[in-house]
Amino acid sequence: AAGVIQSPRHLIKEKRETATLKCYPIPRHDTVYWYQQGPGQDPQFLISFYEKMQSDKGSIPDRFSAQQFSDYHSELNMSSLELGDSALYFCASTILRSPYYEQYFGPGTRLTVT
Amino acid sequence: GDSVTQMEGPVTLSEEAFLTINCTYTATGYPSLFWYVQYPGEGLQLLLKATKADDKGSNKGFEATYRKETTSFHLEKGSVQVSDSAVYFCALNRRQAGTALIFGKGTTLSVSS
Repeated sequence: AAGVIQSPRHLIKEKRETATLKCYPIPRHDTVYWYQQGPGQDPQFLISFYEKMQSDKGSIPDRFSAQQFSDYHSELNMSSLELGDSALYFCASTILRSPYYEQYFGPGTRLTVT
Repeated sequence: GDSVTQMEGPVTLSEEAFLTINCTYTATGYPSLFWYVQYPGEGLQLLLKATKADDKGSNKGFEATYRKETTSFHLEKGSVQVSDSAVYFCALNRRQAGTALIFGKGTTLSVSS
């Protein structure tokens, strides 16, 4: 079965640089979520989109922005990177009609800021 | 606000032992409940789910029952294998489009042969 695709899988950036992470949801999934997971931590919700509109917002820094495009893929843009932004970034998707609203996660992008 | 509390790890078991990982939640209404598993260096995989009281989710020998009266969703497996070694996260959501999953802190399971 098709899964959530994230790119790149690994990314190394220097402080104050910018980064763009991409997410391609499971086909026919209309809702996309972004999470950040630090080492040994549980995933922390950043932001979500439903039908290309921002749906919910968590602990996303002002330096980060995201959007969902007409083909439902999403991009997370991160500027003025800091050492503390080093983490795993997960994208998840779901389909509105599901009675559970379960989220399916991609493999993640490991961002290292040096 | 909504929250999930799960037992601290690590949990260390021998192969074929019985596994229980406790999970309790605080939420208004009737959230959906989930267990996710994360193997080293990988993403989160949905292990099982339940959406209403007394629902039993099950997958790959793992089970959990949605207990409304005790606000719990404990994960169990009758006989663990070395390949079950991973981090297990209990989670909930409010069953609305676009709302976040709220995770517990995760429990590390280590199974030895």
